[in-house]
Amino acid sequence: NAGVTQTPKFQVLKTGQSMTLQCAQDMNHNSMYWYRQDPGMGLRLIYYSASEGTTDKGEVPNGYNVSRLNKREFSLRLESAAPSQTSVYFCASSERDLKLVFGPGTRLTVT
Amino acid sequence: GESVGLHLPTLSVQEGDNSIINCAYSNSASDYFIWYKQESGKGPQFIIDIRSNMDKRQGQRVTVLLNKTVKHLSLQIAATQPGDSAVYFCAERGLKTSYDKVIFGPGTSLSVIP
Repeated sequence: NAGVTQTPKFQVLKTGQSMTLQCAQDMNHNSMYWYRQDPGMGLRLIYYSASEGTTDKGEVPNGYNVSRLNKREFSLRLESAAPSQTSVYFCASSERDLKLVFGPGTRLTVT
Repeated sequence: GESVGLHLPTLSVQEGDNSIINCAYSNSASDYFIWYKQESGKGPQFIIDIRSNMDKRQGQRVTVLLNKTVKHLSLQIAATQPGDSAVYFCAERGLKTSYDKVIFGPGTSLSVIP
């Protein structure tokens, strides 16, 4: 039982490049989330998926897209990376928005 | 040691003392509250939760208190240990918000002095 896994762990991008952050969970949770964490700002919700086949915007969705590939996997895509997207990205999953289980995070730097 | 509000993001306590971390939440309609612990370089980990129909809940060495009148949440850690050094986040499930999901506070950094 690995919980929530994220790849890659670290990434450096140039402005304008694109990339996809991958997330998978093995707890059979319906809900999955993407958060970003910046110093002093806590965790801010980017997108979430309440169930397979549905996605909704969170607090800071601009510049991101998501795909809920199946019940296990929820990916986050940056189409044209900007320095303001330098952050630590966390994926999480839960049952009915309770007790979110977080992955280890992806540290992204955009130069 | 005790943190006050959201404007004191750091708290230092002696090993063995009790710690109190405070959090003011924003939405009077929130029905569920959670405390998370985040160690350096790791994702947040669930510590304890409480529903809005409760005032107090106890876990192993931790107690969460909820005061709905003043929209205040606190986490008490008994006999604080070096392994408790981390950033602690409170979170609320915000009903009737624009996206109806879990909202995190900015966090309090707890340092335990051996």
